[in-house]
Amino acid sequence: AQSVTQPDIHITVSEGASLELRCNYSYGATPYLFWYVQSPGQGLQLLLKYFSGDTLVQGIKGFEAEFKRSQSSFNLRKPSVHWSDAAEYFCAVAPIPLSNFGNEKLTFGTGTRLTIIP
Amino acid sequence: GAVVSQHPSWVICKSGTSVKIECRSLDFQATTMFWYRQFPKQSLMLMATSNEGSKATYEQGVEKDKFLINHASLTLSTLTVTSAHPEDSSFYICSAGSGNTIYFGEGSWLTVV
Repeated sequence: AQSVTQPDIHITVSEGASLELRCNYSYGATPYLFWYVQSPGQGLQLLLKYFSGDTLVQGIKGFEAEFKRSQSSFNLRKPSVHWSDAAEYFCAVAPIPLSNFGNEKLTFGTGTRLTIIP
Repeated sequence: GAVVSQHPSWVICKSGTSVKIECRSLDFQATTMFWYRQFPKQSLMLMATSNEGSKATYEQGVEKDKFLINHASLTLSTLTVTSAHPEDSSFYICSAGSGNTIYFGEGSWLTVV
């Protein structure tokens, strides 16, 4: 069965500092990979996704993620965080092949809570 | 862009009563929607897959008679928590796919008192 691991439950960084959130997956093949952000009490917003091709994916809000097949990882990065980035971040996977994308359920990691220090 | 909307955002109900949560795809049709449950400070756990015009598919351990799902149209799925108990208090989120992206609703907070 596929699984997603986010090793860091809680990360604290200073505003303006760089950020890296870790995500590892376990799957028979390369799944589709996603990063979502959730502000307190809110739904999820898609930051970026990886299907194939260039392993460095650019997302919204200045985030990027790099897919490394050899490490089964899809780490999220941002060069300089802003106070508004404080939120919960979830890595998720969907199986391939996607016969009809949108009709596939996601498996989520346990999330990483990001706190920003002024 | 594609939007998924949930209603209500917050609901409080008494133990033993039922409460319905709606999930709508506002500008696209969704033959499949997903219902997730999230406990405080935890991840999202898939409860069931809602299929338009047919029965929902429930994940192992989810009581289908307690969490009734109806997907009567291509833009609306409903989750009804029947005979609610305090342990059903949680954050419920739905999702639907459009194009090559999966969109999530804003979530619905359920508190059973």
